[in-house]
Amino acid sequence: NAGVTQTPKFQVLKTGQSMTLQCAQDMNHEYMSWYRQDPGMGLRLIHYSVGAGITDQGEVPNGYNVSRSTTEDFPLRLLSAAPSQTSVYFCASSYGQGARGYTFGSGTRLTVV
Amino acid sequence: SQQGEEDPQALSIQEGENATMNCSYKTSINNLQWYRQNSGRGLVHLILIRSNEREKHSGRLRVTLDTSKKSSSLLITASRAADTASYFCATDYRGSTLGRLYFGRGTQLTVWP
Repeated sequence: NAGVTQTPKFQVLKTGQSMTLQCAQDMNHEYMSWYRQDPGMGLRLIHYSVGAGITDQGEVPNGYNVSRSTTEDFPLRLLSAAPSQTSVYFCASSYGQGARGYTFGSGTRLTVV
Repeated sequence: SQQGEEDPQALSIQEGENATMNCSYKTSINNLQWYRQNSGRGLVHLILIRSNEREKHSGRLRVTLDTSKKSSSLLITASRAADTASYFCATDYRGSTLGRLYFGRGTQLTVWP
């Protein structure tokens, strides 16, 4: 089925470990974004990309890296996990500047202990 | 923060009643979008309204936009138990990078059978 696929769905990390959250879309969308959702905080933008090879920081980029080597994939890397990064992470994509709305993945629930 | 704000934070109604949620934002927008999130799931795009539009309909959904008051409302008519979810407004601010969305904290809607 067409859409945004996120893996893994659940992950537990120890403080200081690194990992990559995967995100792939098969809709040929130009725009892709990573958000984190914390209780009572809504969604906050971490990083976004307007096309292959182009990325930029969002509201809360510290501790995260991204790259966009292909249109389909937009992985999010946690460099050295901290308990403050415990959250639910959502990847989203959109055709052309988001003016038709974003398609969201089902999320990755990350716990850092 | 550029986040919009939804009001109320929580809303509880009976099936068949109408549900109205409001969103206020801070600066001029290109468009405003509404999303639904069922518990433990990703967000689903419901409707997008552009800054030059005042009202849009989609099935049982009606969205209004008042740019002079910097506010929007989402009306769900004849609510069903399946409408139970969190509802978020997201704003695409004029002057911000196109397609970059700012989400509010959401309204939790509960519809009782």
